[in-house]
Amino acid sequence: EAGVTQFPSHSVIEKGQTVTLRCDPISGHDNLYWYRRVMGKEIKFLLHFVKESKQDESGMPNNRFLAERTGGTYSTLKVQPAELEDSGVYFCASSQTRNTIYFGEGSWLTVV
Amino acid sequence: KQEVTQIPAALSVPEGENLVLNCSFTDSAIYNLQWFRQDPGKGLTSLLLIQSSQREQTSGRLNASLDKSSGRSTLYIAASQPGDSATYLCAANSGGSNYKLTFGKGTLLTVNP
Repeated sequence: EAGVTQFPSHSVIEKGQTVTLRCDPISGHDNLYWYRRVMGKEIKFLLHFVKESKQDESGMPNNRFLAERTGGTYSTLKVQPAELEDSGVYFCASSQTRNTIYFGEGSWLTVV
Repeated sequence: KQEVTQIPAALSVPEGENLVLNCSFTDSAIYNLQWFRQDPGKGLTSLLLIQSSQREQTSGRLNASLDKSSGRSTLYIAASQPGDSATYLCAANSGGSNYKLTFGKGTLLTVNP
């Protein structure tokens, strides 16, 4: 069974550019989460999808971040325009309710 | 607002030693608490999950305990091995049956051969 897959694994962009991160959850998992870790800080919750609906987006830092999950399958997280403080690791995770949560290997974003 | 603290930030031990990693959380109203392992450049791997009604969970050489009243959890690793070297993360779940995890900064463990 394939795990949670994230693309790209690494990305270097200039300040002001746009980056789109993609996450493919484990097949059949209704719950999809985005977390991120910026340098020197702990991993923090961004948002939670149940199928295609946003269940909780209380962790989204500002309106430069847009997450979508069309059709309840894969999800994208777009940062537009990117700022230096957006650099970090963006983790996607998926789960079925009440079961183990599985994390992807992360998308490492560097904004220069 | 839930806050999770892990002590120590880093730990270096000789192979074969038993060790304890500590985690504390400020809000005892948690659904469960989970310990993860992260290897460099990799994602998070769930090690043990303790439901709020449980006191401990065991898996092989790992044992995790939970004391909600004091806001503490410990991860005990028996007979440590070099392959145990990794960052260990504690996360408190306040999101009910869905996951809204509050993480600590982690403990970087190095087990020397």
